[in-house]
Amino acid sequence: AQSVSQHNHHVILSEAASLELGCNYSYGGTVNLFWYVQYPGQHLQLLLKYFSGDPLVKGIKGFEAEFIKSKFSFNLRKPSVQWSDTAEYFCAVTAYGNNRLAFGKGNQVVVIP
Amino acid sequence: DGGITQSPKYLFRKEGQNVTLSCEQNLNHDAMYWYRQDPGQGLRLIYYSQIVNDFQKGDIAEGYSVSREKKESFPLTVTSAQKNPTAFYLCASSLDRDEKLFFGSGTQLSVL
Repeated sequence: AQSVSQHNHHVILSEAASLELGCNYSYGGTVNLFWYVQYPGQHLQLLLKYFSGDPLVKGIKGFEAEFIKSKFSFNLRKPSVQWSDTAEYFCAVTAYGNNRLAFGKGNQVVVIP
Repeated sequence: DGGITQSPKYLFRKEGQNVTLSCEQNLNHDAMYWYRQDPGQGLRLIYYSQIVNDFQKGDIAEGYSVSREKKESFPLTVTSAQKNPTAFYLCASSLDRDEKLFFGSGTQLSVL
């Protein structure tokens, strides 16, 4: 079964700083990859996803993620964060053709104004 | 161990049949959620409950029903009105709306 690792569970940074959240998965086959975000007081939302094609995926609110197959990674980035980016971020993976979604444990990101 | 238990792991539904998916948590969380996962799509919210005896529709509530009679339980019924029920269903809970989500292991529902 696939599994997902997210490091640096708590991230604190100032506005305008750059953000990068690491995501590594363990599965040898074709995968679909997701980043979800949960803002305070809201339910989980899809930030971006990768199924195939260009490994650099752009999502909502200026986020992007790069799929590096050789590294089994799908890191999330944003060049300049805002206070409103304070949220919990989850990486998730499904094996291709398999609905089972494996989530990482999440990254709690706090942006200080 | 504290956590969320979903059962069954696999469930099959016949045409016109209602089926109920179980979700139990012993985390003493107030908020519980049901999500649906389809191939090619991310999670979509079906229903959520912030407190006992209260629940709200999510983005795709049609054809589903829930109840929240006990804090630890949030069963989801997939009714015959749901014309495309085949999916992977995830239950989640959180201490309150602002807290991290904890997910169950999911139930795969298929139509015979």
